[in-house]
This record gives sequence, structure tokens and C-alpha cells, in this order.
Amino acid sequence: DAGVIQSPRHEVTEMGQEVTLRCKPISGHDYLFWYRQTMMRGLELLIYFNNNVPIDDSGMPEDRFSAKMPNASFSTLKIQPSEPRDSAVYFCASSLTPGSTEAFFGQGTRLTVV
Amino acid sequence: AQKITQTQPGMFVQEKEAVTLDCTYDTSDQSYGLFWYKQPSSGEMIFLIYQGSYDEQNATEGRYSLNFQKARKSANLVISASQLGDSAMYFCAMREEYGNKLVFGAGTILRVKS
Repeated sequence: DAGVIQSPRHEVTEMGQEVTLRCKPISGHDYLFWYRQTMMRGLELLIYFNNNVPIDDSGMPEDRFSAKMPNASFSTLKIQPSEPRDSAVYFCASSLTPGSTEAFFGQGTRLTVV
Repeated sequence: AQKITQTQPGMFVQEKEAVTLDCTYDTSDQSYGLFWYKQPSSGEMIFLIYQGSYDEQNATEGRYSLNFQKARKSANLVISASQLGDSAMYFCAMREEYGNKLVFGAGTILRVKS
């Protein structure tokens, strides 16, 4: 398996624009996590899915952020409109149940909002 | 709510010596898993070691071992015979069986000196 695949690897956008980050989890994994990493706040869990259903989105910072998982092999994280404070590295990770199995991370998307 | 605390923002260790990275956690669940990840300067997240809450033996993986003290709710990572390539950020994480949410601590930067 190619592992968790995220795209794009780097994104530079202007404030106010819509940004869509993409993630393809490892085939067969039933959990998918979205994290945001910044120097100030560390690695924050934004939202996670189980069998394509959002389980906990309490980490989503505000209504500008939304995430979907239309099928088992694809998820998106959208920011609309984007702001400079959204600049961060966004990671997607996937895992199997039960909780004893580790999560496998994608390479991350480095987002810069200017 | 589950919480992970890593009190050491940064650590130095001499090459070939052992180092302990601290991690304490808080949970009301009886069943949970504890993980350590390494993030080198290149940015990827690398799984190192796992400890289950019901495991009686401390986990070991090569030069990594986990000093699990359940009553104290601590899960410290011990790296033996440090190498220059161990210089990285290290994250402690916890996953409760109920909900399978995976939450990370703030991380500890480790620098290995030659």
C-alpha cells in the first residue's frame, strides 16, 4: 500500500480564497483523522471519522472549516474563506479499529495564507 | 476528556547515552492505548511504540522502551544508546477504547549531541 496520501503538499493562497485539502486513507482503514500543526498550538485534532461518518468535530476551529468523507477512500478538509491564521501544516491519518493499532500519517499539507 | 501532558519542551542528550522523555495522561476510561511518535525535521510522523492499558509488561521496540506506570498515569519513553538521528520532536498520544479518539501531547524536542 502507498500509505496515506495527501494533496497538495504545499498550498499558498490569498486571504479570502477557498482552500481544499485532500486525503486518501490506507485501504481498509475505518478511521480517518484530520490534524492541524502549528508552533503555538502543537498538533490539534480537528475532526475524525469512523466508517465515513464524522464522530467528533469539536476541534474544528470555526464555521469556516468543514470536512467530508463521501466514501472510504477519500476525505476533504475545506476552509472558506481562508485567513492568515489558518497557515499551518495539516495532517491526515488513518487507522484500523481497535484502538490498539497505530494511526498512519500522510506527509501533510503545508498551507500558507497570505 | 482525555488529556496528554509533556512537560519537557526540549531535551539534550549526549550521543550513546540513554534519555527519558516524560508523558502523563488523564482519562476516565479503563481501556486505552498509549503511543509515541517521532517527527524529524523533514516533518513526517513516524510511529515508534505502543502500550495498552491492560498490558502488564512494558513495551519495547529495539532501542525504544516505554516505562508505563498506570497508577501514576505516566508513559515515559526511554531511548537507549542515543544516536544523532534521534534528534527530532517526540509526541506522546492516547487513544481511548470508547470513541477511539487519538489525542497528542505538545511534544518534546530532543537534540543529541556528538
